[in-house]
Amino acid sequence: KAGVTQTPRYLIKTRGQQVTLSCSPISGHRSVSWYQQTPGQGLQFLFEYFSETQRNKGNFPGRFSGRQFSNSRSEMNVSTLELGDSALYLCASSLVAGSQETQYFGPGTRLLVL
Amino acid sequence: AQTVTQSQPEMSVQEAETVTLSCTYDTSESNYYLFWYKQPPSRQMILVIRQEAYKQQNATENRFSVNFQKAAKSFSLKISDSQLGDTAMYFCAFMKPLIQGAQKLVFGQGTRLTINP
Repeated sequence: KAGVTQTPRYLIKTRGQQVTLSCSPISGHRSVSWYQQTPGQGLQFLFEYFSETQRNKGNFPGRFSGRQFSNSRSEMNVSTLELGDSALYLCASSLVAGSQETQYFGPGTRLLVL
Repeated sequence: AQTVTQSQPEMSVQEAETVTLSCTYDTSESNYYLFWYKQPPSRQMILVIRQEAYKQQNATENRFSVNFQKAAKSFSLKISDSQLGDTAMYFCAFMKPLIQGAQKLVFGQGTRLTINP
């Protein structure tokens, strides 16, 4: 089975622009979660989607949004980019069936905001 | 809110030695999941081992094992016969069970482990 894939892998943007990141989960996985990783704040939960519905959202401003499609693929969008949005954005998928709670991560998208 | 603490920012051992990484957590939940993830320089987050809180038996995966002390809220990772490929950042993480809400991992700050030849 193919793992979680994320595109693009690297991205450079300037302040004020917007960006869209994509995540394709492991086949059959219905839950997709997004995390932001920075040296200062560590790994922080952004949001989680299941069956096209956002079930939980972390403590991030409204500039961060996401969505999930019927094939479970997910996108996250950051509008009006700030320098502090520079980070590694990780996507994780999980089966969500019975006790299968484990999240499997993609390789991440590294975003640099100039 | 749950918190996860890893008190060792960095550790370094010789190849073939055994090393233990510490993790403590704070929660009022009685049932939950605990994980250790490894993040090598490639930045890919890889699952190392998982423990369900209602299971008394400590989880093991080949050279990796945990010491789960529920009353003490402690979840340490032991790596036996360490190898150069074990060099990575190790994260301890907590998750409430699905029935209590959406899936969300709470991570510790990480321990940077270096295996020296």
